[in-house]
Amino acid sequence: SQTIHQWPATLVQPVGSPLSLECTVEGTSNPNLYWYRQAAGRGLQLLFYSVGIGQISSEVPQNLSASRPQDRQFILSSKKLLLSDSGFYLCAWAQGIGHNEQFFGPGTRLTVL
Amino acid sequence: AQKITQTQPGMFVQEKEAVTLDCTYDTSDPSYGLFWYKQPSSGEMIFLIYQGSYDQQNATEGRYSLNFQKARKSANLVISASQLGDSAMYFCAMREGRGFQKLVFGTGTRLLVSP
Repeated sequence: SQTIHQWPATLVQPVGSPLSLECTVEGTSNPNLYWYRQAAGRGLQLLFYSVGIGQISSEVPQNLSASRPQDRQFILSSKKLLLSDSGFYLCAWAQGIGHNEQFFGPGTRLTVL
Repeated sequence: AQKITQTQPGMFVQEKEAVTLDCTYDTSDPSYGLFWYKQPSSGEMIFLIYQGSYDQQNATEGRYSLNFQKARKSANLVISASQLGDSAMYFCAMREGRGFQKLVFGTGTRLLVSP
């Protein structure tokens, strides 16, 4: 069966520090991968998605970047965090075209102070 | 314009009662999919149910059913026989087109089930 992991689970970082959040998927190959952010009390906003290694699409301009160095690894990064980067970050995967649901990881709660 | 609208910020229901969570959507694409996810306090998003725009029948998954009214562009989630464990945030989402699965989420409804 497929599983999706995210780490760390929680993170407190000072403004201006770098960020690296990691997401890995097991039990599937060539998944579509997604990064979402959820601000407190809000819905999910799609940040990045990837259909393959090295292929990244950005949905909104922001202080963040994403990379996919391996088929089942998706990384969210920032060189200098802003206060507004605080939130709950969720990674998700989906099988290719013709499949429907996205499956989410447990999330990372990021607080920027 | 909002693609997905959930007008109920909060809903209360008693245990064992049924509850309907509202969702309306906006799209001009004839092919789309509608999803409901549950987010408990732990934060992870749990997939509940899916309805395709060409599906003839309303989707059902156990105690969850989707009341799909295409002409009204609504996709309400019905939870029958509510349980205390159903207390959570519920999000409606839509994928437009048949291709890549980019989902647009509503703002969610917080459901509280009381004993």
